[in-house]
Amino acid sequence: GQQVQQSPASLVLQEGENAELQCNFSSTATRLQWFYQHPGGRLVSLFYNPSGTKHTGRLTSTTVTNERRSSLHISSSQTTDSGTYFCALSSNTNKVVFGTGTRLQVLP
Amino acid sequence: EAGVTQSPRYAVLQEGQAVSFWCDPISGHDTLYWYQQPRDQGPQLLVYFRDEAVIDNSQLPSDRFSAVRPKGTNSTLKIQSAKQGDTATYLCASRRDWGVEQYFGPGTRLTVL
Repeated sequence: GQQVQQSPASLVLQEGENAELQCNFSSTATRLQWFYQHPGGRLVSLFYNPSGTKHTGRLTSTTVTNERRSSLHISSSQTTDSGTYFCALSSNTNKVVFGTGTRLQVLP
Repeated sequence: EAGVTQSPRYAVLQEGQAVSFWCDPISGHDTLYWYQQPRDQGPQLLVYFRDEAVIDNSQLPSDRFSAVRPKGTNSTLKIQSAKQGDTATYLCASRRDWGVEQYFGPGTRLTVL
């Protein structure tokens, strides 16, 4: 079945630093979505990005489908960015597999 | 549009008790998912529906878990005889068409003592 690996598993930044989160997957027949989850909170969709580059605010997602990877770049991090970031892959039958997540902590 | 809603938000059970979780997806969303998210882990798909039909329930512990979506709208996930290992947050999500993004409800946090 589909394998999804995220790295790093955890990351600690000082406020203002940039972050690069990686998602690698085993199949090209997938569609990718990035989520954010505050501890104890709802999963919030950041990007639906099956291919190419998308921007919103300080966030940029780049998916290179034929290389089976996606990245999430956070620029000028803020303490409110702290939480866990997940990538999730949907197959052509809409079955979804989540990665293990990257836990981000941004210190003031 | 209203988001995905779930109830209850919290449940605390003794082992062996039964519990049901309810999900109301976004109107018009034909695909509905149930996930289990243990503490400090990513969501793990249990079952998903297209309208009222189960598409994949291979990850559902079928001896104790069941899920239905009889009219292709709301859905219920039931645990017949809860175990401590079932302690987790149960998430519902929906999506409108093939390939577009999915939206999550707030989840039901289950604790089995």
